[in-house]
Amino acid sequence: GQSLEQPSEVTAVEGAIVQINCTYQTSGFYGLSWYQQHDGGAPTFLSYNALDGLEETGRFSSFLSRSDSYGYLLLQELQMKDSASYFCAVSGTGGFKTIFGAGTRLFVKA
Amino acid sequence: GAVVSQHPSRVICKSGTSVKIECRSLDFQATTMFWYRQFPKQSLMLMATSNEGSKATYEQGVEKDKFLINHASLTLSTLTVTSAHPEDSSFYICSARDPREARGDTQYFGPGTRLTVL
Repeated sequence: GQSLEQPSEVTAVEGAIVQINCTYQTSGFYGLSWYQQHDGGAPTFLSYNALDGLEETGRFSSFLSRSDSYGYLLLQELQMKDSASYFCAVSGTGGFKTIFGAGTRLFVKA
Repeated sequence: GAVVSQHPSRVICKSGTSVKIECRSLDFQATTMFWYRQFPKQSLMLMATSNEGSKATYEQGVEKDKFLINHASLTLSTLTVTSAHPEDSSFYICSARDPREARGDTQYFGPGTRLTVL
């Protein structure tokens, strides 16, 4: 089966850097993705890692260590609009379906 | 990125009625779409994988006779909640992958449908 663990809540101040960790267990692995979801909205894709290392996209970066079954999302120069839920998600073999973690609610304070 | 639409965005219905939700890929063809359900402040739970031209694949614990999925074309999948009850009230979201992308794992989500069953 597949399971993911990520913190339920993180609070940070505007302008700061925050890291959201994700550990996973999966039978077969295709990639680790990160999605952002604002209240009442649909998830939007942020970042993706299939290989070990860091992927950078603007203020957001994502890291993966396949040997440790671990990844993180790094958000820099936090803005109030970054307050949202962040989900890590893994895709495994067997149809490429994606399983989502429980989500981390990020609160950005002024 | 690719665009996925969903209709309706909100629906309120009486207990016992059926509700159909449409999911469309607007600028790409999707042989596979996914249907999720999300309760407030919870994660997205995969309900089923919709396959164009064949039967959907349901996740364990999801009643296929209650949640009917039809993927009749490469751009449209529908989810029908039959004989809806208040416990079916939830946020239903569809997604699809864009086959044109080399990184084929990214999912594009529709805006979701908020179902309220009275």
